[in-house]
Amino acid sequence: SQQGEEDPQALSIQEGENATMNCSYKTSINNLQWYRQNSGRGLVHLILIRSNEREKHSGRLRVTLDTSKKSSSLLITASRAADTASYFCATDRTSGSARQLTFGSGTQLTVLP
Amino acid sequence: DAGITQSPRHKVTETGTPVTLRCHQTENHRYMYWYRQDPGHGLRLIHYSYGVKDTDKGEVSDGYSVSRSKTEDFLLTLESATSSQTSVYFCAISERLASHNEQFFGPGTRLTVL
Repeated sequence: SQQGEEDPQALSIQEGENATMNCSYKTSINNLQWYRQNSGRGLVHLILIRSNEREKHSGRLRVTLDTSKKSSSLLITASRAADTASYFCATDRTSGSARQLTFGSGTQLTVLP
Repeated sequence: DAGITQSPRHKVTETGTPVTLRCHQTENHRYMYWYRQDPGHGLRLIHYSYGVKDTDKGEVSDGYSVSRSKTEDFLLTLESATSSQTSVYFCAISERLASHNEQFFGPGTRLTVL
């Protein structure tokens, strides 16, 4: 079953606006990661936030994590047309003897010029 | 794509035929993964490897087998392909240091089973 679920499924904004995507998960995690996927390409790691962190920044990206609500958000500020892509959250958790990443179904972001 | 190649990139096959997908890495990372990506499901883990000859099942392993005889190669085999295995398959690698599990992905293989 899906560990992470993104919301919204699709988001369309104008260039220069901020984009916010949310991720909810069900069980305890080691960390939570966000990935980006351009059409027809593989996923690219964007940012990782550990379970003991509440907020993290990387360039125009801001990630928050609320472990009490089992949720995370990804904010992209001053969006650009090149930010158009699908964004996935992935939860890193221990399952049996291994640590695995479990991906959500993604948010499709369209930034209009 | 971080020193990861997948072959073939596209394949069309018929139901019941065997299919092998190859993932090759030049990063010497210990861990390798096979995922499938379908609309509405995100990525789902099929199998993974934590070393040469060490593999384990993921969430959707039925109908798939894997092998890893060398650090750099991880093979995914569909013994008898079915239409439900039409998907895009991604290989990923990770070094998995301490609390990190950042994964690097290959470009994907689009498989169509008729």
